[in-house]
Amino acid sequence: SQKIEQNSEALNIQEGKTATLTCNYTNYSPAYLQWYRQDPGRGPVFLLLIRENEKEKRKERLKVTFDTTLKQSLFHITASQPADSATYLCALDIGGNQFYFGTGTSLTVIP
Amino acid sequence: DAGVIQSPRHEVTEMGQEVTLRCKPISGHDYLFWYRQTMMRGLELLIYFNNNVPIDDSGMPEDRFSAKMPNASFSTLKIQPSEPRDSAVYFCASSFWKAGSGETQYFGPGTRLLVL
Repeated sequence: SQKIEQNSEALNIQEGKTATLTCNYTNYSPAYLQWYRQDPGRGPVFLLLIRENEKEKRKERLKVTFDTTLKQSLFHITASQPADSATYLCALDIGGNQFYFGTGTSLTVIP
Repeated sequence: DAGVIQSPRHEVTEMGQEVTLRCKPISGHDYLFWYRQTMMRGLELLIYFNNNVPIDDSGMPEDRFSAKMPNASFSTLKIQPSEPRDSAVYFCASSFWKAGSGETQYFGPGTRLLVL
């Protein structure tokens, strides 16, 4: 079965630093990998999508890398702000509407 | 668009009672998903529909769970009878598939269910 691991359940960093979150997966080869943000009491919100043939994708202060050999995606938030504090979920889309979410990493940006 | 709408937002019930969760997807989306989220297991896909037809219900935990989508703008997830271990946050999400872009799922605010 598909297994998705996200690094440490919680990550604390100082404001202004770069936060790096890791998503590792096994068994399947996803066509797309997505990152979502979830705030307490709310549903996940889509942030970025990266295709299997793309190495890197950027959006404002966000950057995602995708290494299909290592079966790993890294999610970076540069110049982090307290408002970036949330839980971040990675999700694998392996096609045929088979969609698997990781358990998430809780990020806290300390002022 | 108002986004995905779910009701109720909170539900407290006693073991053995029937629970019905409701979802209105975003207009024009042809896929609808029901998820369950717990601290222990994270976000789990229960069932999804395409054009109102159930495609994959392999994530539905037991026969006590059932889902319907009578039309493009409404879906229900029913638990009968409910048990304490069903306590979780249930999310509905909708999407449309776009070639070359996969799909992006839009989630509702969730229903927080507590079964006593």
